[in-house]
Amino acid sequence: GENVEQHPSTLSVQEGDSAVIKCTYSDSASNYFPWYKQELGKRPQLIIDIRSNVGEKKDQRIAVTLNKTAKHFSLHITETQPEDSAVYFCAASRGQNFVFGPGTRLSVLP
Amino acid sequence: KAGVTQTPRYLIKTRGQQVTLSCSPISGHRSVSWYQQTPGQGLQFLFEYFSETQRNKGNFPGRFSGRQFSNSRSEMNVSTLELGDSALYLCASSLERGTYEQYFGPGTRLTVT
Repeated sequence: GENVEQHPSTLSVQEGDSAVIKCTYSDSASNYFPWYKQELGKRPQLIIDIRSNVGEKKDQRIAVTLNKTAKHFSLHITETQPEDSAVYFCAASRGQNFVFGPGTRLSVLP
Repeated sequence: KAGVTQTPRYLIKTRGQQVTLSCSPISGHRSVSWYQQTPGQGLQFLFEYFSETQRNKGNFPGRFSGRQFSNSRSEMNVSTLELGDSALYLCASSLERGTYEQYFGPGTRLTVT
C-alpha cells in the first residue's frame, strides 16, 4: 500500500523567512496531493493541493511543487508569520483513499 | 454552507464498553471518511463511505465499524473499547464529483479509562 514520509518533523524559522516541508510517497498511482494545517485543538484545514498532471501551484504565500518521477512533493511558505505556526500534514491519495504523512510542527519565531 | 459537524465533541468511556460517534457532512457531499488521530500514530485512515456503501477500509480491527445513511450522515462504532482507542476521531467529507478535496469536522475526543 501507499506510504508517505514527511520531513522535517519539526521546523523553526524566523518571522519573514521561508519554510519548506517535503513529502515522499511510494505508490505511483497516487494522483492527488493535499496539504493540511492543524492548529492546536482545531481541525485540519485544507490549505493547498495539487493533482498529478500539474507540477506547481501557488496561492499567495503558499506554493506546492510535485515531482512525479522522484515521487516527492513539497510545501513552500514564504514570508512566514507567527500565525503560520501549526502542524502541517501532507497526504497522497488515489480516489478517496488518503494516506497522511506524520506531520511537521512549524514554529515561526517573532 | 455549514461545515462538517461531529457529535459528541467529547466522550469518556470505560474499557469494554462500546461507543457510537456521528458525523454530518457538508450539504451535498456524498463521501465520508473516518480517521483516528493520536500523537504517536498521526492520522490513520479507518474507512470511507459513499452512497451508504463502505468503499475503502484501513487496517483496523473488526471492533471498528461504520455505516452511512441515505442523507449521507455517517456513524462509526467501536465495540469492546481498549485503552489504546483513546484518540481524536475525525471525519471528513468530500463532494466526490470530479474533485477529491476532503473537509474535516472538529472531531470527537474519546477517552477510554
